[in-house]
Amino acid sequence: GQSLEQPSEVTAVEGAIVQINCTYQTSGFYGLSWYQQHDGGAPTFLSYNGLDGLEETGRFSSFLSRSDSYGYLLLQELQMKDSASYFCAVRGFYFGSGTKLNVKP
Amino acid sequence: EAQVTQNPRYLITVTGKKLTVTCSQNMNHEYMSWYRQDPGLDLRQIYYSMNVEVTDKGDVPEGYKVSRKEKRNFPLILESPSPNQTSLYFCASMKDASRYEQYFGPGTRLTVT
Repeated sequence: GQSLEQPSEVTAVEGAIVQINCTYQTSGFYGLSWYQQHDGGAPTFLSYNGLDGLEETGRFSSFLSRSDSYGYLLLQELQMKDSASYFCAVRGFYFGSGTKLNVKP
Repeated sequence: EAQVTQNPRYLITVTGKKLTVTCSQNMNHEYMSWYRQDPGLDLRQIYYSMNVEVTDKGDVPEGYKVSRKEKRNFPLILESPSPNQTSLYFCASMKDASRYEQYFGPGTRLTVT
């Protein structure tokens, strides 16, 4: 089976850096994806790590360590519009329970 | 515009009355999936399809049916809805499994009374 763990909630201030962690247990591994979901909206794809290391996309970066079954999403220069829920997913289909990010002014 | 569309967006129905939620994508994607999301944020896969006429169960398939007769369409059928199927439903499509980059539809909020 699959299981993913994320913190349920994180709070940070505008302009800061925040890291959202994800640990997983899977039968077979096909990469780790990250999605953003604003309240009432649909999830949108942010990034994918198929191999170990860091992937950078603008203010967002994602990291994977397959040996540690661990990944994280790093958000830099936080903006109010980054307030949302963030999900990690394995194989694209198995989602963690999400981390609600609250950005305060 | 590349998109996944779902209809209806909102639906209130009664127990046992068959309903269909439609999903269509215009990106020529191979993969399509249905998810439900309940309070507490969990997204759980109901069914998925890797190609036309190829469908398989996800984590929570009980009480649902799907079909994939055309590449662009992937309807979700509830033959006898029950109150525990009250949820927010998302359809998603994906080109291939190289990046697992899914595109989600806007969601259908279903209430079964």
